[in-house]
Amino acid sequence: DTGVTQSPTHLIKTRGQQVTLRCSPISGHKSVSWYQQVLGQGPQFIFQYYEKEERGRGNFPDRFSARQFPNYSSELNVNALLLGDSALYLCASSSSTLGPNQPQHFGDGTRLSIL
Amino acid sequence: DAKTTQPPSMDCAEGRAANLPCNHSTISGNEYVYWYRQIHSQGPQYIIHGLKNNETNEMASLIITEDRKSSTLILPHATLRDTAVYYCIVRVALSAGGTSYGKLTFGQGTILTVHP
Repeated sequence: DTGVTQSPTHLIKTRGQQVTLRCSPISGHKSVSWYQQVLGQGPQFIFQYYEKEERGRGNFPDRFSARQFPNYSSELNVNALLLGDSALYLCASSSSTLGPNQPQHFGDGTRLSIL
Repeated sequence: DAKTTQPPSMDCAEGRAANLPCNHSTISGNEYVYWYRQIHSQGPQYIIHGLKNNETNEMASLIITEDRKSSTLILPHATLRDTAVYYCIVRVALSAGGTSYGKLTFGQGTILTVHP
């Protein structure tokens, strides 16, 4: 089985720019979540999408936005990049069709560096 | 979601069992206990989860106390590749309609170092 895939794996941007990160969930998974992991910290929840609708949002500014497509893939957009946005961005997918407590499975993330 | 408390670091000899404790004294009746681990430069890897019964899979065993206020993750025969940060998380089960939060709230975790 193909796991969660994220692209690109690494990205370098400068302050003020905009970035789009992409995620393909495990086949059959309809829920996608995004997390930000700053160096030395655990991942922090940003968004969850289920059946193409936003189902949850963490404590992040409006510069962060996301969407889910009909094929359940997802994009995370960040505008007006700040130095503090430098982090590993993780995508996770899960299946709700097998029951309500299914675990989330993570990709290996996109390493975003802001100069 | 309930908070968890884990020791910041633990050591284990290769081939021995690694027992990682987690305290979740404020857990609610509908919250599951999940364990993930994260090896350097990789995304978190799901290990196991449970509600109140002990669970075992090919990776590990999860022992939950009867009052559900604490749990222990057991890696029966630790190898060098098990060196990682281990996260214990409690989370409310999603409704089948997907209308509630599915977020995972990560703490600092336990850095497990397996040495030869």
